[in-house]
Amino acid sequence: ETGVTQTPRHLVMGMTNKKSLKCEQHLGHNAMYWYKQSAKKPLELMFVYSLEERVENNSVPSRFSPECPNSSHLFLHLHTLQPEDSALYLCASSPKTGNYGYTFGSGTRLTVV
Amino acid sequence: KQEVTQIPAALSVPEGENLVLNCSFTDSAIYNLQWFRQDPGKGLTSLLLIQSSQREQTSGRLNASLDKSSGRSTLYIAASQPGDSATYLCAVSNNNDMRFGAGTRLTVKP
Repeated sequence: ETGVTQTPRHLVMGMTNKKSLKCEQHLGHNAMYWYKQSAKKPLELMFVYSLEERVENNSVPSRFSPECPNSSHLFLHLHTLQPEDSALYLCASSPKTGNYGYTFGSGTRLTVV
Repeated sequence: KQEVTQIPAALSVPEGENLVLNCSFTDSAIYNLQWFRQDPGKGLTSLLLIQSSQREQTSGRLNASLDKSSGRSTLYIAASQPGDSATYLCAVSNNNDMRFGAGTRLTVKP
C-alpha cells in the first residue's frame, strides 16, 4: 500500500448507469489528482484539486464529475459513459501542487459495456 | 505544451545486464522529474524523484540523471533481474500537473 487507496479495484457498468470512484489518502497531502490511462496511451491528467478547490479541469467531458469534500478524499462521479471511457483510472496525491513528487493509488479498472 | 517521449518503447535483456532507459521532454522549465514503475494492471510505484536543481538520484541498483537544459533524463538499472520486468514511466512536473511519457516496457529474461 502506498498510502493512497482507491475503490473499487474493478468496475463494470452499463452506459446508462451512475457510479462513483473513490480515492482516499492519509499522507497529509493537500493536492489530489485524477488521471486516465487508456491502452497504449500516456497517462492523461483529468482533474487537479488543491486544498479542496479544483485548480485544473483538463477539458474533460461533463459525464465525469469530480468531488473533493476534504483534503483526504476525492471522488469521480460517472454517468452515461461511453465504451471508449473504459480505462484504468488512477488517483494521486502530493504535499501540494508544484515542486513535489506524486504518490499514486493502485487504480480502478473501469469497463463500460 | 509539455511533450514527454520515452525510448525505446520496449526492451528485452538477459538477466544480469546493465541497461539504460531514456526520457526526453520539450519544455525545460520543469519543477521536477519522477521515474515510476508500473506492473501490468496495477498503479504506479515511485522509484526516484529528481528536483530541477539536482543532477541525479540513486536508490539501490537504480540511478536517474537529469539534464534540464537539454531536456533529457536517463534511468540506469544495474545487474538487471527478472523481477525488474515492468513498464517504466518518466514524468515531468510543471506548475499544476505532471506529464507522462508512454513508458518503456522492460522484460528481463532469466
